[in-house]
Amino acid sequence: SQTIHQWPATLVQPVGSPLSLECTVEGTSNPNLYWYRQAAGRGLQLLFYSVGIGQISSEVPQNLSASRPQDRQFILSSKKLLLSDSGFYLCAWSPRMNTEAFFGQGTRLTVV
Amino acid sequence: GNSVTQMEGPVTLSEEAFLTINCTYTATGYPSLFWYVQYPGEGLQLLLKATKADDKGSNKGFEATYRKETTSFHLEKGSVQVSDSAVYFCALSPAGGTSYGKLTFGQGTILTVHP
Repeated sequence: SQTIHQWPATLVQPVGSPLSLECTVEGTSNPNLYWYRQAAGRGLQLLFYSVGIGQISSEVPQNLSASRPQDRQFILSSKKLLLSDSGFYLCAWSPRMNTEAFFGQGTRLTVV
Repeated sequence: GNSVTQMEGPVTLSEEAFLTINCTYTATGYPSLFWYVQYPGEGLQLLLKATKADDKGSNKGFEATYRKETTSFHLEKGSVQVSDSAVYFCALSPAGGTSYGKLTFGQGTILTVHP
Protein backbone atom coordinates (compact mmCIF):
# COMPACT_ATOMS: atom_id res chain seq x y z
CA SER A 1 0.00 0.00 0.00
CA GLN A 2 1.02 3.59 -0.50
CA THR A 3 2.20 5.79 2.34
CA ILE A 4 3.32 9.37 2.58
CA HIS A 5 5.78 10.65 5.14
CA GLN A 6 6.27 14.27 6.05
CA TRP A 7 8.65 15.74 8.58
CA PRO A 8 9.19 17.39 10.93
CA ALA A 9 5.78 17.49 12.59
CA THR A 10 6.48 20.75 14.39
CA LEU A 11 9.03 23.47 13.74
CA VAL A 12 9.76 26.83 15.35
CA GLN A 13 12.13 29.02 13.37
CA PRO A 14 13.32 32.63 13.75
CA VAL A 15 12.59 35.23 11.11
CA GLY A 16 15.29 35.24 8.44
CA SER A 17 16.33 31.63 8.96
CA PRO A 18 16.21 29.01 6.17
CA LEU A 19 13.58 26.29 5.87
CA SER A 20 13.55 22.77 4.51
CA LEU A 21 10.54 20.48 4.79
CA GLU A 22 10.72 17.03 3.29
CA CYS A 23 8.05 14.69 1.99
CA THR A 24 8.45 11.17 0.62
CA VAL A 25 5.96 8.73 -0.86
CA GLU A 26 6.29 4.96 -0.77
CA GLY A 27 4.54 2.20 -2.67
CA THR A 28 3.91 4.03 -5.94
CA SER A 29 5.83 5.49 -8.84
CA ASN A 30 5.43 8.68 -10.89
CA PRO A 31 3.02 10.30 -8.43
CA ASN A 32 1.83 13.86 -8.75
CA LEU A 33 3.09 15.73 -5.68
CA TYR A 34 1.71 18.83 -3.99
CA TRP A 35 2.47 21.30 -1.21
CA TYR A 36 -0.49 23.01 0.44
CA ARG A 37 -0.54 25.61 3.20
CA GLN A 38 -3.27 26.10 5.76
CA ALA A 39 -3.02 29.47 7.46
CA ALA A 40 -4.72 29.93 10.81
CA GLY A 41 -8.50 30.10 10.42
CA ARG A 42 -8.35 29.68 6.67
CA GLY A 43 -8.73 26.95 4.10
CA LEU A 44 -6.02 25.19 2.17
CA GLN A 45 -4.05 26.93 -0.52
CA LEU A 46 -2.09 25.03 -3.16
CA LEU A 47 1.49 26.30 -3.23
CA PHE A 48 3.31 23.98 -5.64
CA TYR A 49 2.69 20.87 -7.65
CA SER A 50 4.95 18.53 -9.59
CA VAL A 51 4.24 15.95 -12.26
CA GLY A 52 7.80 14.64 -12.52
CA ILE A 53 11.41 14.95 -11.39
CA GLY A 54 12.60 18.52 -11.71
CA GLN A 55 9.17 19.73 -12.87
CA ILE A 56 7.71 22.27 -10.45
CA SER A 57 4.75 24.58 -10.96
CA SER A 58 4.04 27.43 -8.58
CA GLU A 59 0.46 28.44 -7.94
CA VAL A 60 1.07 31.64 -5.97
CA PRO A 61 3.99 34.06 -5.74
CA GLN A 62 5.70 33.79 -2.39
CA ASN A 63 8.83 33.48 -0.35
CA LEU A 64 8.99 29.71 -0.79
CA SER A 65 10.34 27.31 -3.39
CA ALA A 66 9.97 23.60 -4.07
CA SER A 67 12.16 20.91 -5.57
CA ARG A 68 11.73 17.31 -6.62
CA PRO A 69 15.18 15.70 -6.73
CA GLN A 70 13.81 12.16 -6.90
CA ASP A 71 10.60 10.61 -8.17
CA ARG A 72 9.01 10.24 -4.74
CA GLN A 73 10.66 13.09 -2.85
CA PHE A 74 9.30 16.61 -2.62
CA ILE A 75 11.02 19.40 -0.69
CA LEU A 76 9.71 22.80 0.36
CA SER A 77 12.34 25.44 1.05
CA SER A 78 12.94 29.04 1.91
CA LYS A 79 16.17 31.03 2.11
CA LYS A 80 14.78 33.54 4.63
CA LEU A 81 11.56 32.95 6.52
CA LEU A 82 9.01 35.69 7.12
CA LEU A 83 6.47 35.89 9.94
CA SER A 84 3.75 35.41 7.34
CA ASP A 85 5.18 31.99 6.44
CA SER A 86 3.75 30.56 9.66
CA GLY A 87 1.10 27.93 9.07
CA PHE A 88 0.33 24.26 8.66
CA TYR A 89 2.06 22.77 5.62
CA LEU A 90 0.67 19.66 4.01
CA CYS A 91 2.28 17.45 1.42
CA ALA A 92 0.03 15.34 -0.77
CA TRP A 93 0.27 12.91 -3.65
CA SER A 94 -2.17 11.65 -6.26
CA PRO A 95 -2.07 8.80 -8.77
CA ARG A 96 -1.15 10.02 -12.22
CA MET A 97 -4.47 9.18 -13.79
CA ASN A 98 -6.76 9.82 -10.84
CA THR A 99 -7.99 12.95 -9.16
CA GLU A 100 -8.11 12.35 -5.41
CA ALA A 101 -5.17 13.37 -3.27
CA PHE A 102 -3.70 11.67 -0.21
CA PHE A 103 -2.21 13.85 2.48
CA GLY A 104 0.67 13.59 4.92
CA GLN A 105 0.33 14.40 8.60
CA GLY A 106 1.46 17.98 8.13
CA THR A 107 4.14 20.26 9.57
CA ARG A 108 3.16 23.09 11.88
CA LEU A 109 5.62 25.92 11.25
CA THR A 110 5.81 28.87 13.60
CA VAL A 111 8.08 31.73 12.61
CA VAL A 112 9.06 33.88 15.58
CA GLY B 1 -11.92 30.17 -11.98
CA ASN B 2 -12.99 27.30 -9.81
CA SER B 3 -14.30 27.91 -6.31
CA VAL B 4 -15.91 26.06 -3.42
CA THR B 5 -18.16 27.66 -0.81
CA GLN B 6 -18.96 25.94 2.47
CA MET B 7 -21.41 26.95 5.13
CA GLU B 8 -19.72 28.96 7.80
CA GLY B 9 -19.13 27.36 11.16
CA PRO B 10 -18.46 26.46 13.73
CA VAL B 11 -21.23 23.90 14.05
CA THR B 12 -22.03 22.57 17.50
CA LEU B 13 -24.31 19.57 17.94
CA SER B 14 -25.35 17.11 20.60
CA GLU B 15 -24.54 13.46 20.13
CA GLU B 16 -27.03 11.62 17.88
CA ALA B 17 -28.17 14.85 16.19
CA PHE B 18 -28.54 15.14 12.42
CA LEU B 19 -25.72 16.87 10.58
CA THR B 20 -25.77 18.86 7.36
CA ILE B 21 -22.82 20.87 6.07
CA ASN B 22 -23.62 22.74 2.88
CA CYS B 23 -21.19 22.94 -0.01
CA THR B 24 -21.65 24.59 -3.40
CA TYR B 25 -19.16 24.93 -6.17
CA THR B 26 -18.34 26.88 -9.31
CA ALA B 27 -16.54 25.08 -12.11
CA THR B 28 -16.87 24.30 -15.78
CA GLY B 29 -17.88 20.87 -16.93
CA TYR B 30 -18.12 18.00 -14.48
CA PRO B 31 -15.50 18.26 -11.75
CA SER B 32 -14.90 15.51 -9.22
CA LEU B 33 -16.11 16.40 -5.73
CA PHE B 34 -14.68 15.39 -2.36
CA TRP B 35 -15.17 15.72 1.36
CA TYR B 36 -12.04 15.61 3.48
CA VAL B 37 -11.88 15.47 7.28
CA GLN B 38 -9.10 16.83 9.48
CA TYR B 39 -8.89 15.65 13.08
CA PRO B 40 -7.03 17.88 15.56
CA GLY B 41 -3.31 18.11 14.83
CA GLU B 42 -3.48 15.78 11.84
CA GLY B 43 -3.43 15.94 8.08
CA LEU B 44 -6.46 15.53 5.85
CA GLN B 45 -8.19 12.22 5.24
CA LEU B 46 -10.47 11.55 2.32
CA LEU B 47 -13.96 10.95 3.70
CA LEU B 48 -15.92 10.39 0.49
CA LYS B 49 -16.03 11.35 -3.15
CA ALA B 50 -18.25 11.52 -6.24
CA THR B 51 -17.00 11.77 -9.78
CA LYS B 52 -20.16 12.32 -11.82
CA ALA B 53 -23.59 13.87 -11.51
CA ASP B 54 -26.09 12.06 -9.25
CA ASP B 55 -23.34 9.92 -7.73
CA LYS B 56 -23.65 9.43 -3.98
CA GLY B 57 -20.47 9.10 -1.97
CA SER B 58 -20.70 7.44 1.43
CA ASN B 59 -18.38 6.41 4.23
CA LYS B 60 -18.61 5.97 8.03
CA GLY B 61 -22.30 6.96 8.01
CA PHE B 62 -21.63 10.18 6.06
CA GLU B 63 -23.24 10.77 2.68
CA ALA B 64 -23.11 13.41 -0.04
CA THR B 65 -24.83 13.50 -3.43
CA TYR B 66 -23.38 15.24 -6.48
CA ARG B 67 -26.11 17.62 -7.67
CA LYS B 68 -25.23 19.16 -10.99
CA GLU B 69 -28.45 21.19 -11.25
CA THR B 70 -27.75 23.00 -7.97
CA THR B 71 -23.92 22.69 -8.14
CA SER B 72 -23.97 21.29 -4.63
CA PHE B 73 -22.39 18.46 -2.63
CA HIS B 74 -23.87 18.72 0.86
CA LEU B 75 -22.51 16.45 3.58
CA GLU B 76 -25.01 14.65 5.83
CA LYS B 77 -24.97 12.21 8.70
CA GLY B 78 -28.03 10.92 10.46
CA SER B 79 -26.56 10.57 13.95
CA VAL B 80 -23.27 12.21 14.87
CA GLN B 81 -20.88 10.98 17.55
CA VAL B 82 -18.37 12.80 19.71
CA SER B 83 -15.63 11.18 17.63
CA ASP B 84 -16.92 13.05 14.54
CA SER B 85 -15.64 16.33 15.98
CA ALA B 86 -13.21 17.64 13.36
CA VAL B 87 -12.84 20.13 10.53
CA TYR B 88 -14.59 19.16 7.30
CA PHE B 89 -13.44 20.41 3.90
CA CYS B 90 -15.34 20.28 0.65
CA ALA B 91 -13.10 20.20 -2.43
CA LEU B 92 -13.21 19.84 -6.19
CA SER B 93 -10.83 18.65 -8.87
CA PRO B 94 -11.42 20.15 -12.30
CA ALA B 95 -12.75 18.11 -15.19
CA GLY B 96 -10.35 17.14 -17.91
CA GLY B 97 -6.94 15.49 -18.11
CA THR B 98 -4.82 18.53 -17.36
CA SER B 99 -5.93 19.07 -13.80
CA TYR B 100 -3.03 17.03 -12.40
CA GLY B 101 -5.15 16.36 -9.32
CA LYS B 102 -5.02 19.95 -8.11
CA LEU B 103 -7.73 20.50 -5.56
CA THR B 104 -9.69 23.65 -4.79
CA PHE B 105 -10.86 23.65 -1.18
CA GLY B 106 -13.62 25.37 0.71
CA GLN B 107 -12.79 27.24 3.89
CA GLY B 108 -13.57 24.31 6.15
CA THR B 109 -16.31 23.84 8.74
CA ILE B 110 -15.45 23.12 12.35
CA LEU B 111 -17.80 20.53 13.87
CA THR B 112 -17.99 20.00 17.62
CA VAL B 113 -20.19 17.23 19.01
CA HIS B 114 -21.03 17.24 22.72
CA PRO B 115 -22.04 14.16 24.70
